[in-house]
Amino acid sequence: EVQLVQSGAEVKKPGESLRISCKGSGYSFTSHWISWVRQMPGKGLEWMGRIDPSDSYTNYSPSFQGHVTMSADKSISTAYLQWSSLKASDTAMYYCARGGGDSMDVWGQGTTVTVSS
Amino acid sequence: QSALTQPASVSGSPGQSITISCTGTSSDVGGYNYVSWYQQHPGKAPKLMIYDVSNRPSGVSNRFSGSKSGNTASLTISGLQAEDEADYYCSSYTTSSTRVFGGGTKLTVL
Repeated sequence: EVQLVQSGAEVKKPGESLRISCKGSGYSFTSHWISWVRQMPGKGLEWMGRIDPSDSYTNYSPSFQGHVTMSADKSISTAYLQWSSLKASDTAMYYCARGGGDSMDVWGQGTTVTVSS
Repeated sequence: QSALTQPASVSGSPGQSITISCTGTSSDVGGYNYVSWYQQHPGKAPKLMIYDVSNRPSGVSNRFSGSKSGNTASLTISGLQAEDEADYYCSSYTTSSTRVFGGGTKLTVL
């Protein structure tokens, strides 16, 4: 079964760093882009960017460029999304999904990130 | 990069058909046949319903169909069922090699 499994919920303070993960299984991890999508509480989906796990090439939405960093470790079929200094406005559900330029056909279960002092 | 424009809400009775529009520009919807549609039930991850404007993934009901004319894409759901009640999002590839979502449409089955 093709699936993406994300890391668990996080509660952080403003200014802290964070890295969340997305592990793929059931398919060739390096053959498909991984996209990251943000959903703030009660709001819609926002495409953050994508990474090619085969060479870690990234492509960010202008809205997120410089605010987050995407990376991947193809040896363990895992993609990462990280922040160096969290803000309260980063509080959201974050999804990883297989695909990038074309459609996103497989989605992770989501990781809730709560940033509060 | 602006979000694609979708109606905030649509509604229909069981058995009826509804259409959700998704309007962009020549830099996204109008420029590529890479429009996809996603269904999201409350508390759940999104699910791909239509890709490349009008193609259905395996397992998606043929009651769901997609089309595009100019800068506007559409999702049509025929034979509405209670289980179709959800939020629907369109998405398109863009000239910046990025993707953009619509603001989402809440479908209510009356």
